[in-house]
Amino acid sequence: QVQLVESGGGVVQPGRSLRLSCAASGFTFSTYDMHWVRQAPGKGLQWVAVIWRDGSEKFYAHSVKGRFTISRDNSKNTLFLQMNSLTAEDTAVYYCARERAYCTSTSCFSGVYYYYGMDVWGPGTTVTVSS
Amino acid sequence: DIQMTQSPSSLSASVGDRVTITCQASEDINNYLSWYQQKVGEAPKLLIHDASNLETGVPSRFSGSGSGTHFTLTISSLQPEDIATYYCQQCHNLPRTFGQGTKVEIK
Repeated sequence: QVQLVESGGGVVQPGRSLRLSCAASGFTFSTYDMHWVRQAPGKGLQWVAVIWRDGSEKFYAHSVKGRFTISRDNSKNTLFLQMNSLTAEDTAVYYCARERAYCTSTSCFSGVYYYYGMDVWGPGTTVTVSS
Repeated sequence: DIQMTQSPSSLSASVGDRVTITCQASEDINNYLSWYQQKVGEAPKLLIHDASNLETGVPSRFSGSGSGTHFTLTISSLQPEDIATYYCQQCHNLPRTFGQGTKVEIK
């Protein structure tokens, strides 16, 4: 069964750190780019970060760049999000999600992928930043 | 960053009604557009990818169309189980961006 399960959420004081994990199962984890997406209470979805399948590239939303670090351990089928210098604005449910991609016979050769949706999501883990 | 603008932000319709949600991208994203359904207390669920391709298992009353900057999600006959918030999202480049969501309710 294809599955993602987040953990590590909780209540933390402003300025402190938290590390989220996302355990993957039922698919070949190392062949997917992985994302973190968050949702503040009563708000919409906000993309947070992505890491390439081999961990070679990482990209962040402007609001978390320099404070959050995404990483993965393909040998343990696990995605991480290290969150530092947390503020109240980081309070949210954090989801991990895998994104599908394909390449054509010519684009594969040059490493160009086309993305077509985040098809598997975890149930989310709640992070509350409060004093 | 590509801005995704959805409308309306909420709607109320009767069972059996045709419902249309629009999503506008701030620049050309070709057809790299996904639609998600999120029910209360649940994670988002991918409904449509590449603007018009229905995910396996998604009821055929859902359809998507559009290309470039203007996209639509249509529910041909609204059912009680379709009560949710719907989001568009561009997969054209980073950062990935979502629309602000459309909350669909039953009248």
